[in-house]
Amino acid sequence: DAKTTQPNSMESNEEEPVHLPCNHSTISGTDYIHWYRQLPSQGPEYVIHGLTSNVNNRMASLAIAEDRKSSTLILHRATLRDAAVYYCILRDIAGGGADGLTFGKGTHLIIQP
Amino acid sequence: DAGVIQSPRHEVTEMGQEVTLRCKPISGHNSLFWYRQTMMRGLELLIYFNNNVPIDDSGMPEDRFSAKMPNASFSTLKIQPSEPRDSAVYFCASSFSPLAYEQYFGPGTRLTVT
Repeated sequence: DAKTTQPNSMESNEEEPVHLPCNHSTISGTDYIHWYRQLPSQGPEYVIHGLTSNVNNRMASLAIAEDRKSSTLILHRATLRDAAVYYCILRDIAGGGADGLTFGKGTHLIIQP
Repeated sequence: DAGVIQSPRHEVTEMGQEVTLRCKPISGHNSLFWYRQTMMRGLELLIYFNNNVPIDDSGMPEDRFSAKMPNASFSTLKIQPSEPRDSAVYFCASSFSPLAYEQYFGPGTRLTVT
């Protein structure tokens, strides 16, 4: 899987929007962009995924650059429960090499009350 | 749904002992993954199964590690003999298929080898 680059940590205030960036300049045409998060002392949980178009679900929005070399996870109104490590992961679904997730170091999101 | 179930949640053992970690995937899921998380190496995939068959075990660190999936509702990860460097949190995850967008993770087993 292609590599992703994320800031080590970010800080935001409660009830404000949060934009978590991810760079993936070597992304291939069949790489899907996935976001997972890991709350303290828990297993990772799926947040959202996309290929080319922006995506919304109940947890977050995913904005994908037109050249697909970067993406941004948007939490519209952060709460203290959103404090977690957020992982941006590329998966080549169409390549047939289905396998597990390759986690990087992620971004540690700190939410201030 | 109870989600992915792992047992035990915590395990403390002495170096040289055999350790067995257990996982029950979500009913109806056909793919099962074992991951390990340490401070130094982060989250790493160890092995995954599809329809109870091991597909890729290239992440298994050594021959001391083995994993089985005797049926669709149960998998084990065994370490024999255990070493202090095996201390980590071990996660099991399941998904509807290998290509499914979403993997569901269990709460993990924290293993400490002294």
